[in-house]
Formats: sequence, structure tokens, C-alpha cells
Amino acid sequence: GAGVSQSPSNKVTEKGKDVELRCDPISGHTALYWYRQSLGQGLEFLIYFQGNSAPDKSGLPSDRFSAERTGGSVSTLTIQRTQQEDSAVYLCASSLMTTNLGTIRPQYFGPGTRLLVL
Amino acid sequence: AQTVTQSQPEMSVQEAETVTLSCTYDTSESDYYLFWYKQPPSRQMILVIRQEAYKQQNATENRFSVNFQKAAKSFSLKISDSQLGDAAMYFCATAQGAQKLVFGQGTRLTINP
Repeated sequence: GAGVSQSPSNKVTEKGKDVELRCDPISGHTALYWYRQSLGQGLEFLIYFQGNSAPDKSGLPSDRFSAERTGGSVSTLTIQRTQQEDSAVYLCASSLMTTNLGTIRPQYFGPGTRLLVL
Repeated sequence: AQTVTQSQPEMSVQEAETVTLSCTYDTSESDYYLFWYKQPPSRQMILVIRQEAYKQQNATENRFSVNFQKAAKSFSLKISDSQLGDAAMYFCATAQGAQKLVFGQGTRLTINP
């Protein structure tokens, strides 16, 4: 079946502009995650969705960052008033829900969106 | 808070030989999961292998196996019969509870033909 897809693959924007990054999870996966991969910070967790709600948004670096998920499927990560330090690869992952016995399901990643803020 | 440490920024190995990548972690939880992910130049993170902390038996997936030492909080990855396609960044990660992954800094693996 199809994997996680992300768009755009690459995005170049000017400082101060808003950007939207899209993630299409694997069909049937109720959990969705956003991570950021940058040279200085490695891989950082941003936000986690279970269905359409976000029980953990502790990794969002500032109020310029927001994310939503609709219909339990597609998610959009929005960065307002972009800054040069926002330049990074933004990775999305999805998984099945943790089972009633607490078994954590593996996360499957998309190819990422490379964001460059000039 | 959980932390993951990969002390080898780079490793290299001859094709067909065996290489071991190191990972240590710190967590206050008793129930957690450990993962190794591979990231080739295409950027796609690919799950290589996973280990449930409550299982004593080391996980294996074909040429990939782990040495899980719970008391030492160590989770190393062994790649046997290395192939050119194994060249990539390898990330160790841990997850618990809400499943968010905490990653190490990564090890770049080069395979020499």
C-alpha cells in the first residue's frame, strides 16, 4: 500500500512569509507525528495527533508554529512569519494506535519537506 | 526526560564484514521500546529493527540484530555481511507512553567496496 507522503518536497521562502507543509498518513493510521531535523538540533519531536486531537504539542518551538489534522487523515503544519532558524527538514510519521495492552506500534516516516528560509 | 546517546558520529566497514553501532539511553520508565532507524540520502527514515524493553530476547531481522543490555541501558545494532545498500545514517530511538520518539544524534555508516 502507499506510504506516508509529504508535500512539497522542497520549499524555499523569504523570511517573514508563512508556509504550509502537508502530510498524508498511511490509510488507517490514527496516530500522526511531526518531527524536525536540523543540523544543529538533530531530530526533534514537534507534535502528536491521535485522530484529530493533539494530546502532545510540547515540541512546538514557538507560537509561530501550529498544526491541525482533519478527518483523522491529512495534517498541515503551518509556520508563520518564518525565520532563518526554521530552515530544516520537516518529517511526518504515522502509526496504528497503541493497543489496549500497551504495545507501541512502529512509526512509518514520509520523505520529508526540506524548508529553506532566505 | 528520556535521552539517547550515539557516541560514534561516523563508522566505516568493508563490504561483507560485520559492524556494530552503539547506543545508550536513559529513561525512568520501566516499560518502553527501542528502535533503530536508517536514513539513506533520500531522507526517508526506514525502520530497521525494534525491541520491547520487557523482552529479554534480542530482536533480529535478517542481517540485523541487537544486543540489548537493559541494566546497562545499552542497545547496540549489529549488521552482518554488510552490503553497499546499508550505507546511511542510523538513528537509535526510544519511545514510551504517548509514543513520541526520542532520537540519538545518529551514526553515519560508510560501506567500503
